[in-house]
Amino acid sequence: DVKVTQSSRYLVKRTGEKVFLECVQDMDHENMFWYRQDPGLGLRLIYFSYDVKMKEKGDIPEGYSVSREKKERFSLILESASTNQTSMYLCASSGTGGGNEQFFGPGTRLTVL
Amino acid sequence: GQQVMQIPQYQHVQEGEDFTTYCNSSTTLSNIQWYKQRPGGHPVFLIQLVKSGEVKKQKRLTFQFGEAKKNSSLHITATQTTDVGTYFCAGRGDTGRRALTFGSGTRLQVQP
Repeated sequence: DVKVTQSSRYLVKRTGEKVFLECVQDMDHENMFWYRQDPGLGLRLIYFSYDVKMKEKGDIPEGYSVSREKKERFSLILESASTNQTSMYLCASSGTGGGNEQFFGPGTRLTVL
Repeated sequence: GQQVMQIPQYQHVQEGEDFTTYCNSSTTLSNIQWYKQRPGGHPVFLIQLVKSGEVKKQKRLTFQFGEAKKNSSLHITATQTTDVGTYFCAGRGDTGRRALTFGSGTRLQVQP
């Protein structure tokens, strides 16, 4: 079974803090994604990576950066957390082709106070 | 940019009733995927449609891809309480963008 794990299920941070969200997949997938999920807005793509050290901006990249130094790990960084970044963050991975099914992690619910 | 709209946002049905959610894209899609997210869970892949006019069935679920490849639907026959959750469509445009664009989802509640 494909497994996508995220470093925390729940996280509480203060405004201005630097926040790291980690995602690891064990299926040797080339593609990895970070989404945020907010009620009524569905899943919005923040960044994705199609290879090690490669990244592309999604639909809402402002305030975020990413890092992919190893194929199995994709990190989302909030350089200076703000209250409007309080959300559920979901990581996903997929094989080659970009249209292949995505496997999601359990999500991290981040609260910024 | 590409937009994927999904309606309705929410539907409450009695167990045994049918349910349909609709997905419309602003651009032609190369494929469309459907996911289900149970309450408190994460999205799980259900199916992918690729061909114009394609229809696929999974037990009580019927998925359709429009002839113009700009819309799709998911129909559930005789809903059960296990169908509760949020259903998302996600499309990949034919513009070369690598990533999927997700719809806003339809939350289904089934009254026993």
